[in-house]
Amino acid sequence: GENVEQHPSTLSVQEGDSAVIKCTYSDSASNYFPWYKQELGKRPQLIIDIRSNVGEKKDQRIAVTLNKTAKHFSLHITETQPEDSAVYFCAASGSGGGADGLTFGKGTHLIIQP
Amino acid sequence: DAGITQSPRHKVTETGTPVTLRCHQTENHRYMYWYRQDPGHGLRLIHYSYGVKDTDKGEVSDGYSVSRSKTEDFLLTLESATSSQTSVYFCAAGGQVVTEAFFGQGTRLTVV
Repeated sequence: GENVEQHPSTLSVQEGDSAVIKCTYSDSASNYFPWYKQELGKRPQLIIDIRSNVGEKKDQRIAVTLNKTAKHFSLHITETQPEDSAVYFCAASGSGGGADGLTFGKGTHLIIQP
Repeated sequence: DAGITQSPRHKVTETGTPVTLRCHQTENHRYMYWYRQDPGHGLRLIHYSYGVKDTDKGEVSDGYSVSRSKTEDFLLTLESATSSQTSVYFCAAGGQVVTEAFFGQGTRLTVV
């Protein structure tokens, strides 16, 4: 089955700086890669996703890049703000396209320092 | 919140008792999932459903069963609860194409 590794487990950045979270996956058939943000005590919420036919996708201050050859994808947050503090999870679909569930990384706790 | 609600939100139960958690969705999603979230493990798939009465096992299915008799409801049953099943349980649902999964609010289950 799919295996997703996520780094770092904790990331502390100054407000206004950029943050990068990296994930690798093992199943070359994976074709869907979402990122979720989870605030303390809340549900994970989808913030951005990318499909395997695209190399990069941006949504305001958030971007995701995908390197299929190397089997890794990254989340980039620019101009970080206090409300960006949360746990972020990457996930990969595996060969089922996500229909049989997503495989998640173990999460990155992002801390925005004022 | 994509119309996904879980009940109960919190539950404390004793070892050896059966427990059923309910997930209800109003968006007619075809696919539904149960995950558990534990510190240091992220989210792990327990069971999933790809239609009414169509279910299959996930990564951590031992000790759990599921049922889906209607599109909108997906039930997770712990047949005989153990302390290792103390966790936060999340239901998710997704659409017809490559599945974007939307999560419910979670159920915090404590087995004592």
